[in-house]
Amino acid sequence: ETGVTQSPTHLIKTRGQQVTLRCSSQSGHNTVSWYQQALGQGPQFIFQYYREEENGRGNFPPRFSGLQFPNYSSELNVNALELDDSALYLCASSLLQGQSEVYFGPGTRLTVT
Amino acid sequence: QQQVKQSPQSLIVQKGGISIINCAYENTAFDYFPWYQQFPGKGPALLIAIRPDVSEKKEGRFTISFNKSAKQFSLHIMDSQPGDSATYFCAASETGNQFYFGTGTSLTVIP
Repeated sequence: ETGVTQSPTHLIKTRGQQVTLRCSSQSGHNTVSWYQQALGQGPQFIFQYYREEENGRGNFPPRFSGLQFPNYSSELNVNALELDDSALYLCASSLLQGQSEVYFGPGTRLTVT
Repeated sequence: QQQVKQSPQSLIVQKGGISIINCAYENTAFDYFPWYQQFPGKGPALLIAIRPDVSEKKEGRFTISFNKSAKQFSLHIMDSQPGDSATYFCAASETGNQFYFGTGTSLTVIP
């Protein structure tokens, strides 16, 4: 088990609603990344936060937004949910500087109906 | 465009056999190549990783072979066990930046 925790474990939302997913990074890690993993696919990078600032973004629309807090925990917010947003959302933590590994949390399974 | 290509999509190996999964990449700026193991309903777990300054790295039954000139790397699982049955993902990144994952290989080890 890594030190990365995510909540909630599962979530069911209706199309058009908004959702907030939470992540606590591994102790000492100052960088948090979020990935979306559709069923049967590899994780796709959403964005990365370093010291509370967005530090890179993948090919996701603006309705995907995030926050990082001073304690390095993070939130992923998704507005105007679409059916295709149904996926496992993974949080990963690392040290941006240096030769550091990246550790993933257990994920939040989001189902949009 | 798929930055990292992974094969095969699925693999069935007898217990005690060798499992081999291959990946290829295009971006020569990539300098970190990890392999992740994922069980159903769980997040990916870091298995082993390599940087391009070495051609091979071994940790227990897991070995990464890296060919910089061919832009290819592979995972070898020696003495495969039923507990190794999982989905394996290769990935590549420039240190500190996003990971590009392969499409995954579903490994089944038959007792």
